[in-house]
Amino acid sequence: DAKTTQPPSMDCAEGRAANLPCNHSTISGNEYVYWYRQIHSQGPQYIIHGLKNNETNEMASLIITEDRKSSTLILPHATLRDTAVYYCIVKAAHGSSNTGKLIFGQGTTLQVKP
Amino acid sequence: NAGVTQTPKFQVLKTGQSMTLQCAQDMNHEYMSWYRQDPGMGLRLIHYSVGAGITDQGEVPNGYNVSRSTTEDFPLRLLSAAPSQTSVYFCASSYSYQYSYEQYFGPGTRLTVT
Repeated sequence: DAKTTQPPSMDCAEGRAANLPCNHSTISGNEYVYWYRQIHSQGPQYIIHGLKNNETNEMASLIITEDRKSSTLILPHATLRDTAVYYCIVKAAHGSSNTGKLIFGQGTTLQVKP
Repeated sequence: NAGVTQTPKFQVLKTGQSMTLQCAQDMNHEYMSWYRQDPGMGLRLIHYSVGAGITDQGEVPNGYNVSRSTTEDFPLRLLSAAPSQTSVYFCASSYSYQYSYEQYFGPGTRLTVT
């Protein structure tokens, strides 16, 4: 699985958009980009995933660059409850290299401030 | 659906004691796994199962046993607890480890070994 690089921390004002970047320059063609978050002391929570097209769901939007070497998770209107550690994970969705294992790095600690 | 449930929420053991951490899911998920989370180290995969009767080791399996006799349950056994096993343990499940299905995490078990 490709390695990811995220900034260790970010701040965002409540009500504003939070844009969390992730670099994954060694991503392979069959690898997806997943985003999870972990609110303090809770289990990780799935947010969104994508292959090469931009994706949107009720929680967030995922923008993947055309060369797929980086992506941005967008929380459109951040609230205090969005304060959490956000993990960007690259994983093959199928094939012999897929064991289902998620590799959690250090992630980005997002602090939403009033 | 209750999702992924874990019991107990907290546990204190003495060195050398054994115990079983319980994990259950009611979503008929094929894939289940166990992670441990230590401060500053992210989540690390202990064991995983791709279906009833099938288990395999993750990156930190020593000191732990698992079995999967039913689709719903995936218990984690500590054979002889050691202080190094003090950690927060998370169980996760997914419809399939193949393809791009998201994983659902339980609330965690906080284990202290004295």
